[in-house]
Amino acid sequence: DSGVTQTPKHLITATGQRVTLRCSPRSGDLSVYWYQQSLDQGLQFLIHYYNGEERAKGNILERFSAQQFPDLHSELNLSSLELGDSALYFCASSVGASARYNEQFFGPGTRLTVL
Amino acid sequence: AQSVTQLGSHVSVSEGALVLLRCNYSSSVPPYLFWYVQYPNQGLQLLLKYTTGATLVKGINGFEAEFKKSETSFHLTKPSAHMSDAAEYFCAVSDSGSSNTGKLIFGQGTTLQVKP
Repeated sequence: DSGVTQTPKHLITATGQRVTLRCSPRSGDLSVYWYQQSLDQGLQFLIHYYNGEERAKGNILERFSAQQFPDLHSELNLSSLELGDSALYFCASSVGASARYNEQFFGPGTRLTVL
Repeated sequence: AQSVTQLGSHVSVSEGALVLLRCNYSSSVPPYLFWYVQYPNQGLQLLLKYTTGATLVKGINGFEAEFKKSETSFHLTKPSAHMSDAAEYFCAVSDSGSSNTGKLIFGQGTTLQVKP
């Protein structure tokens, strides 16, 4: 158990719908990262927040948005869902922002299926 | 831009045999390099990392990796495979030039099969 919590574990929805994925980082961690894992794209970085501030953005679609709240939990919002959005979405947290000193701890993921 | 290439999407070894998983990177700045393991239906777990200093790094579960700048490689090895090593392994790179983010760029992954 990494200490990172993600809810829900599974989500099945239809095309065109909107969903929210939630991540609670380990106690004391200020950084939250979101990654998408799919069969065709592999593991891709989506976005990084540090203490409520967006620090880096990857190839995140405009239909996707995220935020980190004052209590440090984060939400990833996916809208106008398409079949190709079906994937495993991971959240990772770390104490600080840089990779040199801060190990990222990964949650168990949310498996999204779009029908 | 940084990128990672893992040679071989599937590697099969016998129990007790040497494990060698290959990783090559591309980076315009000195990289930070990582190996993660993913067991079925679980998140990723850090095996080891290279940031600076000694180029041979040791990790958990008997794994080690060597950073070779001249070859732009960071191959993962373990002298003797165990059945419990069967999993998917990911090599990743992060930008040492940025202290603002530790975002990871992952390779496509290598599935390790261990035969009895």
